Order: sequence, then C-alpha cells, then structure tokens
Amino acid sequence: GESVGLHLPTLSVQEGDNSIINCAYSNSASDYFIWYKQESGKGPQFIIDIRSNMDKRQGQRVTVLLNKTVKHLSLQIAATQPGDSAVYFCAERVYNQGGKLIFGQGTELSVKP
Amino acid sequence: NAGVMQNPRHLVRRRGQEARLRCSPMKGHSHVYWYRQLPEEGLKFMVYLQKENIIDESGMPKERFSAEFPKEGPSILRIQQVVRGDSAAYFCASTLGSSYEQYFGPGTRLTVT
Repeated sequence: GESVGLHLPTLSVQEGDNSIINCAYSNSASDYFIWYKQESGKGPQFIIDIRSNMDKRQGQRVTVLLNKTVKHLSLQIAATQPGDSAVYFCAERVYNQGGKLIFGQGTELSVKP
Repeated sequence: NAGVMQNPRHLVRRRGQEARLRCSPMKGHSHVYWYRQLPEEGLKFMVYLQKENIIDESGMPKERFSAEFPKEGPSILRIQQVVRGDSAAYFCASTLGSSYEQYFGPGTRLTVT
C-alpha cells in the first residue's frame, strides 16, 4: 500500500550559487528569531539571530531578513558549499514566555558539487 | 570547554518500560530546556528547568513524562511506560538564562519496540 508521511521542503542548489531559505513565523509577539542548521544525527547548531527591532543582519556568508508586516523570515547563504547541506530551521521566541523556542518545520538544503 | 552532553545517544525500550534521558549543561549554565523532534519535523518545546525548579512544563504530556534538574548532577527527562508514539529524538539545550542563546546537545534517539 501507499505510505503517507510528512516530507520536508527541499531546496537543491549548485555549489557556488546563493541559497535563500524562507520561513513564516506564527506569533506577532515574538521578539527574537534564530536560524539553526541541523546535520543528520546531530543537534541544532546556531547560525545567526535577529531581534524584532531590526530587519536585516549579516554574518559570515549568511544574511537574515525579517519582515514583521507579513511575519516572514529568510536566510540567505552566499556561495553555497557542500558542507552547507543540512536541514535549516527557523525558530522564534515569544516575548515574556520564558525563553522557549518555537521551531518551524524546516527546509532541507542539498548542495550539488 | 565541553558543550552540552546527552546520554545515552541511542536508547531502545520495549513498550511499557521506562526511559531515562540525561542532559549535562555547559559549564556555568543553570538553565535547561528539553525539546522533542519527530521525524521530518521541527523541535517542539517540552519543559524549561532551572536548578531544582521547573519553570515551564506547558509542553509536557500530562501523564508518564517528568523532568528534574537537581542541585548536583544532570537534568533527567523520564518517560514511564513508554509507547511507540514516544519514539523520537529528544534534545536538551542549556543557557545562562531565558534571554540568552540556547546551546543544543547531540540528542538522544529513543526507539520503542
């Protein structure tokens, strides 16, 4: 019989290209947002964060954009490398709720050499 | 400077048995969060603890699950009378406080047969 299950959205890019991963967050009271990278069999690894009073933040090869009007977050990775292949999660922290993180579903990034 | 440690990394239990998952936070961290991750899903908050206190357990199932973080020793997530639906990866994250970055451990993968 046919199996039914959840599948992560997948983004496939060529090595050296730029990648853009998108995320819609849920709570307009969220004041802090983080992108995590998770490799197979490992825990989430912090990539970059942004507070709600900003709309853009840059790190090394990564940029996060925040659009509070439409509750949208994006992660841009410049010059994507095979080592960037992983699942990427956005997470939000709701103001005054004790610091717990609310994670999105995740996007699987596959980089072709 | 050791990161967050979790053990065991893999745990197999038969239905009805108990599972104990351990989390040792980073040195100097006295706050711990536990999250559960089902296959191809994001992490879901379970419980937030400080040393000797449960701060927020709003994500914990009402029955069979409990957590503690004693004055000495690791934080423990305990699942009694496990069922197949408890099969998941369980991650803990430690932090200096609720407004600081959370550092994740490698996770414990629980399989219930």
